[in-house]
Amino acid sequence: QKEVEQDPGPLSVPEGAIVSLNCTYSNSAFQYFMWYRQYSRKGPELLMYTYSSGNKEDGRFTAQVDKSSKYISLFIRDSQPSDSATYLCATNAGGTSYGKLTFGQGTILTVHP
Amino acid sequence: GAVVSQHPSRVICKSGTSVKIECRSLDFQATTMFWYRQFPKQSLMLMATSNEGSKATYEQGVEKDKFLINHASLTLSTLTVTSAHPEDSSFYICSARVGRGGNEQFFGPGTRLTVL
Repeated sequence: QKEVEQDPGPLSVPEGAIVSLNCTYSNSAFQYFMWYRQYSRKGPELLMYTYSSGNKEDGRFTAQVDKSSKYISLFIRDSQPSDSATYLCATNAGGTSYGKLTFGQGTILTVHP
Repeated sequence: GAVVSQHPSRVICKSGTSVKIECRSLDFQATTMFWYRQFPKQSLMLMATSNEGSKATYEQGVEKDKFLINHASLTLSTLTVTSAHPEDSSFYICSARVGRGGNEQFFGPGTRLTVL
């Protein structure tokens, strides 16, 4: 079993839809959670960073963390064609892990006009 | 802020040659940088962790003599692929950790290496 599981999709939605992306993790030592967006042939771009259970909102993006069930989500409101990319969840344990990230497999999202 | 650059963005080389890739944090100091490789339609695979002024820590299965990493300053880490072969062709991406206690990581734009 992988430490971080993410449905690879692909996920296709119409423009304006609400998108829900999800990951589960198995290691209770994970304390920090990130969502990255990666366009084809580019490096990942940090979208959201959080370290506590609950919701964190930034514009059209909302990150949700439930540490009790080891479940993290990213919601995208009013999705746009420019949101079409691969979305990666990532986590680390902090402390002596020296920031080493564990990634999910990535979900390929396509938003069509 | 938190911009990471990589150079070159793309390189094509002949089998047997060595290739150096630079990773720079442009507007912050990065005590720790990470090197990843990524194959098409796959997630990132961590190769090594690079700490400024000390030897890199390699992940299991990564040949340290083939992938030489140097982190000479708080803003620069280099990855040298020595005696490159076609199977080394991949997308190499670096990331930099903000500060000593931070956990946020910012990624460079990546370097596409093609070995003929």
